[in-house]
Amino acid sequence: DVKVTQSSRYLVKRTGEKVFLECVQDMDHENMFWYRQDPGLGLRLIYFSYDVKMKEKGDIPEGYSVSREKKERFSLILESASTNQTSMYLCASSKNNQPQHFGDGTRLSIL
Amino acid sequence: DQQVKQNSPSLSVQEGRISILNCDYTNSMFDYFLWYKKYPAEGPTFLISISSIKDKNEDGRFTVFLNKSAKHLSLHIVPSQPGDSAVYFCAANGNFGNEKLTFGTGTRLTIIP
Repeated sequence: DVKVTQSSRYLVKRTGEKVFLECVQDMDHENMFWYRQDPGLGLRLIYFSYDVKMKEKGDIPEGYSVSREKKERFSLILESASTNQTSMYLCASSKNNQPQHFGDGTRLSIL
Repeated sequence: DQQVKQNSPSLSVQEGRISILNCDYTNSMFDYFLWYKKYPAEGPTFLISISSIKDKNEDGRFTVFLNKSAKHLSLHIVPSQPGDSAVYFCAANGNFGNEKLTFGTGTRLTIIP
């Protein structure tokens, strides 16, 4: 069974802090994704990666960056956290032409 | 610009009856569609998919219908069970596959015992 693990279920940070969200998958998937889920807006893609050291902007990349140094790990970085980045963050992974598998999410609050 | 729309934020259905969840899209380049189910405090899980070369795909109690001319898809759940209570998201992709999915806003389905 595919396992996508997000390092924290809940996180509270302060405005201006640099925040790291970590995601690890155990199925040797090529593709990894970061989304945020907000009420009334569904899931919106922030960044994705097709391979190690590769990254592509999604629909809402502003204020975020990512890192994929190893195939199994995809990190989302909030360079300088702001209150409008308070959200549920979801990581997903997939093999090519296969459905995405999601982690259980990190609920991030920026105070 | 919402390219994938789920116009019903919520839906209540009696146990044993049919649940029909709807999804509309605007981008004619989309050719692969998926439905995901999400329980509270869990990530979405893949339910069923359909490619644009088909108009129907069935998996047990779940059937997805695609009407390309209307740019509309629907998910039918028959019979509905209490465990089906969840938020359902439809998603679309333009690449036969599912890189860069575009998600709808979700419909909360409640099954009434």
